[in-house]
Amino acid sequence: GENVEQHPSTLSVQEGDSAVIKCTYSDSASNYFPWYKQELGKRPQLIIDIRSNVGEKKDQRIAVTLNKTAKHFSLHITETQPEDSAVYFCAASNAGNMLTFGGGTRLMVKP
Amino acid sequence: GAVVSQHPSWVICKSGTSVKIECRSLDFQATTMFWYRQFPKQSLMLMATSNEGSKATYEQGVEKDKFLINHASLTLSTLTVTSAHPEDSSFYICSARDRAGSSYEQYFGPGTRLTVT
Repeated sequence: GENVEQHPSTLSVQEGDSAVIKCTYSDSASNYFPWYKQELGKRPQLIIDIRSNVGEKKDQRIAVTLNKTAKHFSLHITETQPEDSAVYFCAASNAGNMLTFGGGTRLMVKP
Repeated sequence: GAVVSQHPSWVICKSGTSVKIECRSLDFQATTMFWYRQFPKQSLMLMATSNEGSKATYEQGVEKDKFLINHASLTLSTLTVTSAHPEDSSFYICSARDRAGSSYEQYFGPGTRLTVT
């Protein structure tokens, strides 16, 4: 089955700096890679996703890059704000079927 | 659009009792729903895939006789935790895919926090 690894597990940045979270996956058949933001006790919120036919996608301060050959994808958050503080999860799936999640990254943005 | 609800949002039960959690897609039909469990400070782990009108597919290590899943309609799936024990205390989250949509996105419910005393 699919295995998704995520790094780092915790990340502390100063407000205004950039944050980068990286994930690797094992199943070459995976073709959908969403990123979620989860606040304590709440549901995961989709913040951006990318399909395997695209190498990069951007939405305002958030971008995701995908390297299919190396089987890794990354989340980039620019101009971080304190409200970006949360746990972020990457995930991978095949054709929208079951999602396999990474271990999560606790992002802390210090004012 | 694409709203998924769960009920109850939290529940406390005594060891040995059973608890039923409902997952509903409110404005779309979901052929497939997924049940996840999340322990504190951990990731979401898929427990089972629930398909409307057929038996659920359980992940390795998940006891199908303990976690009963029923997907009786295109908008409702239920998870029943039978003979609950304190180690079953966790955050249970469902998700659903819109069968009419072309997106791969899954829509998550708000989760149910189960505490077994």
